[in-house]
Amino acid sequence: AQKVTQAQTEISVVEKEDVTLDCVYETRDTTYYLFWYKQPPSGELVFLIRRNSFDEQNEISGRYSWNFQKSTSSFNFTITASQVVDSAVYFCALYNFNKFYFGSGTKLNVKP
Amino acid sequence: SAVISQKPSRDICQRGTSLTIQCQVDSQVTMMFWYRQQPGQSLTLIATANQGSEATYESGFVIDKFPISRPNLTFSTLTVSNMSPEDSSIYLCSVVGGHGTEAFFGQGTRLTVV
Repeated sequence: AQKVTQAQTEISVVEKEDVTLDCVYETRDTTYYLFWYKQPPSGELVFLIRRNSFDEQNEISGRYSWNFQKSTSSFNFTITASQVVDSAVYFCALYNFNKFYFGSGTKLNVKP
Repeated sequence: SAVISQKPSRDICQRGTSLTIQCQVDSQVTMMFWYRQQPGQSLTLIATANQGSEATYESGFVIDKFPISRPNLTFSTLTVSNMSPEDSSIYLCSVVGGHGTEAFFGQGTRLTVV
């Protein structure tokens, strides 16, 4: 069975703080993809990153970084020096066999 | 990449009526996906729409309630039939390209049933 767990329902931080969003996944397959999406209040899904199961390299993109660890089945997302514009719901998702399995999402509130 | 145009972007409908949501992709794709996102919830896959065949529905979703059309490789519609307030959600269409290396979503349709 495929499953994605985002245990943090809601996180509040003050601007410029660093914040890490946790994502744990379950799958028996060896080939899969992991995604992070941002959903601002307007509702659209904004693609942030994709990782395949064979690439455990961490990635940094500006203030965003991702830590993929197959040993713990985790794909965590860190925002450094958070900004108010980062306020949104963030979804982690597992993709294989033509299906997405989304986590329940983490709502991030960044206060000025 | 693929650009998806979804409309309407939002609507307020009376219970008992039906709404058809359109999804247009700027390139040909084999599979299109329809998701529902209930308020404060995650995305749930409704069905997979393949061109030239019946859509494949996930558990809990039926064709009578959510009929889907897929007349060609760039277009699909989802109809929400006989609506009730419980159908108030965001509905999103999606396509996947390149063996799952890319996933694209429409802007979503925010439906409110009163």
